[in-house]
Amino acid sequence: DGGITQSPKYLFRKEGQNVTLSCEQNLNHDAMYWYRQDPGQGLRLIYYSQIVNDFQKGDIAEGYSVSREKKESFPLTVTSAQKNPTAFYLCASSRSKGESYGYTFGSGTRLTVV
Amino acid sequence: AQSVSQHNHHVILSEAASLELGCNYSYGGTVNLFWYVQYPGQHLQLLLKYFSGDPLVKGIKGFEAEFIKSKFSFNLRKPSVQWSDTAEYFCAVNTGGFKTIFGAGTRLFVKA
Repeated sequence: DGGITQSPKYLFRKEGQNVTLSCEQNLNHDAMYWYRQDPGQGLRLIYYSQIVNDFQKGDIAEGYSVSREKKESFPLTVTSAQKNPTAFYLCASSRSKGESYGYTFGSGTRLTVV
Repeated sequence: AQSVSQHNHHVILSEAASLELGCNYSYGGTVNLFWYVQYPGQHLQLLLKYFSGDPLVKGIKGFEAEFIKSKFSFNLRKPSVQWSDTAEYFCAVNTGGFKTIFGAGTRLFVKA
């Protein structure tokens, strides 16, 4: 079955460390997204990518970085510059712009800073 | 700035009760509207969507939503909820392009 795979499911990070969250899709979708989900705040867009080797900042990009070297993969790095990284991170993909099709989501990665 | 407001953060209903979850957005142009659902321990999944045509759209599991342009609203409804509808529901708006804005979510708990 096609879908989005996020790994790991749970991740613990020490303060000052960078960590990378994996997101892989086999849906042949052009666009991929990273959202952060916090209780009571819904989903906030971190970065998105329309095509390979191109990505754009979302609303809360500070302290995060991404790459899109392959169509299937869109890893997110949470850097030590991110002040409050503990959150649930969701990766999504869509055909084209997603405006008519909606998104397919992964199962998420819960990051905790210890 | 564009935003999406969901009126209730928590809703508790008994089985067979009717459901209406409110969603309002702030944007004056053409919109594409979505409701997503996240069941406990599962992925966020698309419940229904509107992008043109009949403003009353039907989704999976008996859910429907009505787009009222004059009120900037896209409320989700179900005539009779079941225990299995316990989940978190998110309204989302796309104004064209790659960015979709999500509401804060409404947690629904259905008592058996």
